[in-house]
Amino acid sequence: EDQVTQSPEALRLQEGESSSLNCSYTVSGLRGLFWYRQDPGKGPEFLFTLYSAGEEKEKERLKATLTKKESFLHITAPKPEDSATYLCAVLGGSQGNLIFGKGTKLSVKP
Amino acid sequence: KAGVTQTPRYLIKTRGQQVTLSCSPISGHRSVSWYQQTPGQGLQFLFEYFSETQRNKGNFPGRFSGRQFSNSRSEMNVSTLELGDSALYLCASKFFGVGTDTQYFGPGTRLTVL
Repeated sequence: EDQVTQSPEALRLQEGESSSLNCSYTVSGLRGLFWYRQDPGKGPEFLFTLYSAGEEKEKERLKATLTKKESFLHITAPKPEDSATYLCAVLGGSQGNLIFGKGTKLSVKP
Repeated sequence: KAGVTQTPRYLIKTRGQQVTLSCSPISGHRSVSWYQQTPGQGLQFLFEYFSETQRNKGNFPGRFSGRQFSNSRSEMNVSTLELGDSALYLCASKFFGVGTDTQYFGPGTRLTVL
């Protein structure tokens, strides 16, 4: 069965304390892996698309990496405004639609 | 460039009623997908439309239906509402083509069923 698992479910960091979020997946025929950020009551905001193992993308304090079985979202020196739920999704599998993980809720305290 | 817009943003209905939600994609995007988001199940795929045709459908009952118009705008309909249909309904659009798989989401419609 196609599946996306994110860990941890919740993460509390102090401002400036770097960490990583994990997204592991089992899906046949991966066509892409996507990271989104979602603030409460809003729609997901696109961050990155990764297509092949070894690929890396960066944006401000965020860096996403991809291997054959998982992806990491590294957050360097986070600020309180980075607090949000981060969602991972994969495109592929038997149905060819986006499959989302449950997300990691990140809280950054000043 | 304007983003994906959804109307209405909030909706309160009672059990047994039906509801129609609307989505306008980013200009030039011809693919529209719909998702249901709940605290317990997360984001779940409902269906995808391209050129007024449903391309893909998730595992939801037939009470959930949709359509797409020639201008790429899409509507989603839920008939005979149940309490469990309370959720944030999200629409996402993308430019349909090779290497253009990124979907951009709207702000969602919060549906509450009483």
